[in-house]
Amino acid sequence: QVQLVQSGAEVKKPGASVKVSCKASGYTFTTYSIHWVRQAPGQRLEWMGWINAGDGRTKHSQKLQARVTISRDTSATTAYMELNSLTSEDTAVYYCARRGSGHGVDVWGQGTTVTVSS
Amino acid sequence: QSALTQPASVSGSPGQSITISCAGTSSDVGGYNYVSWYQQHPGKAPKLIIYDVSNRPSGVSNRFSGSKSGNTASLTISGLQAEDEADYYCNSYASSDTWVFGGGTKLTVL
Repeated sequence: QVQLVQSGAEVKKPGASVKVSCKASGYTFTTYSIHWVRQAPGQRLEWMGWINAGDGRTKHSQKLQARVTISRDTSATTAYMELNSLTSEDTAVYYCARRGSGHGVDVWGQGTTVTVSS
Repeated sequence: QSALTQPASVSGSPGQSITISCAGTSSDVGGYNYVSWYQQHPGKAPKLIIYDVSNRPSGVSNRFSGSKSGNTASLTISGLQAEDEADYYCNSYASSDTWVFGGGTKLTVL
């Protein structure tokens, strides 16, 4: 079945970087884009950016574009999100998700909890 | 990009209908028919319930429907059931290959 499986929870110190992986299976990886969305505790969903898994083109939110890098490895059918210069405000659950053939995000990873604490 | 505007909370009794609004601008909601809606239960990943303004994915109940007028999109849930109690988010394309979510709405089934 179509699924996205993310890497495990991370605990980082302020100023550090984190890289979250998202392994896709059950469909042709290069046909769809992968989006990254985060949700701080008790807060709303926040769109971070996306990657065209076919040609590798990316786009990031204006808020995060200086600190976030989204990449993919087509041979591993895996997308990655790296966030630098972490602060406590980056503590959140990070989701990868596939944008389907319509324009809705139809498959979500299970989420990766990133905790930033000194 | 600013978040789309949703009411913080709505409520309804079982069997009733409710509508959640999602207000944006001509640069996002009003400019494209790429509005989607998500249901999120506590501790779970969001679930797609409406895409491209008014389309339901396979397996989603026909009690969920979507529409758009001008810069505001709406999600209507008819025949409210206890399991509909959740947070609901709208999402829209916002030009230049960017996307934006709404602030989220907590639905309480009384």
